[in-house]
Amino acid sequence: DGGITQSPKYLFRKEGQNVTLSCEQNLNHDAMYWYRQDPGQGLRLIYYSQIVNDFQKGDIAEGYSVSREKKESFPLTVTSAQKNPTAFYLCASSIDPTALGSKNIQYFGAGTRLSVL
Amino acid sequence: GESVGLHLPTLSVQEGDNSIINCAYSNSASDYFIWYKQESGKGPQFIIDIRSNMDKRQGQRVTVLLNKTVKHLSLQIAATQPGDSAVYFCAENGAGGTSYGKLTFGQGTILTVHP
Repeated sequence: DGGITQSPKYLFRKEGQNVTLSCEQNLNHDAMYWYRQDPGQGLRLIYYSQIVNDFQKGDIAEGYSVSREKKESFPLTVTSAQKNPTAFYLCASSIDPTALGSKNIQYFGAGTRLSVL
Repeated sequence: GESVGLHLPTLSVQEGDNSIINCAYSNSASDYFIWYKQESGKGPQFIIDIRSNMDKRQGQRVTVLLNKTVKHLSLQIAATQPGDSAVYFCAENGAGGTSYGKLTFGQGTILTVHP
């Protein structure tokens, strides 16, 4: 059963705490992405990674960190520096981000909903 | 319709009607466009894509139209069903040509289908 798995589905963060959201894919995709979605809003790019051991900041990277030590895994840490972390977080992957056309299609996980206690 | 950067518009239709969801994009260099469907509490799901060298592409019950002259994209859903109720996003490969695959997403359109 191939796909993108995000865990946990729901996560609660205490003030001053760092939390890590998991994203695993078994699609053998090169690229992985993290997005934040606020209620009634579109998707905003946090970080993305083209290949293992490389990642780039997206549009709203402040207060977040990532790692890409394995091709199939791209965890996102929401740090205490992120003052408004309550949102729906989506992970995605694509086959080959340098190719044209359909290899740019991003496939999404089911999301993690993060709330602040 | 939606436009990258504007807030969420809504579209209400009756079951069986055809739906048209619009999207305006700003980057004339964009060469690839995708429509996604997002149901409540779930991740976006790929519907259909189109390259900039095409102006129309058809799938099962869906058609995407691309007008590069006015930088406009639309998604047509034939015989809309209650299961089509969701938020629909357009996305563009904003860098054009060779790129890192970064997609720029529109804000989305809420489609509600009434039985």
